[in-house]
Amino acid sequence: DVKVTQSSRYLVKRTGEKVFLECVQDMDHENMFWYRQDPGLGLRLIYFSYDVKMKEKGDIPEGYSVSREKKERFSLILESASTNQTSMYLCASSLRGTVNTGELFFGEGSRLTVL
Amino acid sequence: GEDVEQSLFLSVREGDSSVINCTYTDSSSTYLYWYKQEPGAGLQLLTYIFSNMDMKQDQRLTVLLNKKDKHLSLRIADTQTGDSAIYFCAESYYGQNFVFGPGTRLSVLP
Repeated sequence: DVKVTQSSRYLVKRTGEKVFLECVQDMDHENMFWYRQDPGLGLRLIYFSYDVKMKEKGDIPEGYSVSREKKERFSLILESASTNQTSMYLCASSLRGTVNTGELFFGEGSRLTVL
Repeated sequence: GEDVEQSLFLSVREGDSSVINCTYTDSSSTYLYWYKQEPGAGLQLLTYIFSNMDMKQDQRLTVLLNKKDKHLSLRIADTQTGDSAIYFCAESYYGQNFVFGPGTRLSVLP
């Protein structure tokens, strides 16, 4: 069964702390994505990566960075957490190429609260 | 930028049909999707339709696409309490540049 695993389901951090959110997929997918989900706003793309050591900014990259050292792992980093980064963070992966439907496979999500 | 819109809430009685509507702006979309999110979980692909199709049926699910009006709908027949979830409409160009709607929270009343 295909799987995207996010290491932390729930985190509580203090303002100014550095936060790491880890995501691992076992499907040998080239593409990986980080979204944040807020009520009424849907999913907003933070960063994505089409290959190891590659990263591209999404729609809301400010305050975030990412790391992709291995194909299966994509990490989201909040250098200095702020209260407006309290949200649900979703990792996703997909196959590269135009011959498939481009289906995104999602992890269970990491709910981050910044106090 | 491109946009996907859908109503935020829908309530139906168990056994009735549910219809969730979505409009999008990107005329170059090749695939349109419906994702389901159950409480406390990530999103899971429910169904998708290629842009050159008008309709797709899969058991209790019927997807209708009106490409001229850029309107997509999801009909769930015989809605059950287990269908209570948030449903996201999304579009992409061959799996690139996904755009998601805000999600429709479906509540199924007994």
